[in-house]
Amino acid sequence: NAGVTQTPKFQVLKTGQSMTLQCAQDMNHEYMSWYRQDPGMGLRLIHYSVGAGITDQGEVPNGYNVSRSTTEDFPLRLLSAAPSQTSVYFCASSSRTGGEETQYFGPGTRLLVL
Amino acid sequence: GDSVTQMEGPVTLSEEAFLTINCTYTATGYPSLFWYVQYPGEGLQLLLKATKADDKGSNKGFEATYRKETTSFHLEKGSVQVSDSAVYFCALTRPYTGNQFYFGTGTSLTVIP
Repeated sequence: NAGVTQTPKFQVLKTGQSMTLQCAQDMNHEYMSWYRQDPGMGLRLIHYSVGAGITDQGEVPNGYNVSRSTTEDFPLRLLSAAPSQTSVYFCASSSRTGGEETQYFGPGTRLLVL
Repeated sequence: GDSVTQMEGPVTLSEEAFLTINCTYTATGYPSLFWYVQYPGEGLQLLLKATKADDKGSNKGFEATYRKETTSFHLEKGSVQVSDSAVYFCALTRPYTGNQFYFGTGTSLTVIP
């Protein structure tokens, strides 16, 4: 099993550009999430999904879009990048197992917006 | 709302020293509690977890006990090694809330030989 994979590992964007961060998992997990990690702020939830076709907003959803057409994939779209979106982005997945969910994280995508 | 507070870092210890990283939480009901570790350049990995009061999670010499009376889940290790240098995150989730995890801000640990 590859677990949770993310691409790209590093990206530089100009303000106003759009891009999609890819996330895939091969564990047949129902739940998937996107977090951003900023110094001194820990991880903050951007969007999450509890299954194919179902998504919802987390703590910091503005400027990001998601969709979940398959169980395996959960891409994160930046519609018009801003310097405030410079961060490290982590995708995570977990299974619905009686309320004892453990999240498995991808290696992260480091994004720099100029 | 739900939240996690953990001690500020960075923490620097000598090899074989005792480690404590404090974590307290605010949550309704009975959350599950976690410690995740992040090594440089990597994603977060589950270190240990506890799902009910008085449970003790343990892994790789690390331990943490779920204390509902003090709403705490402090991480301890009796003798740290250089390889334990990483950032440690305390987190919680409430059952059946899907991906609603709440993380602390992380505590950076450096162990020197």
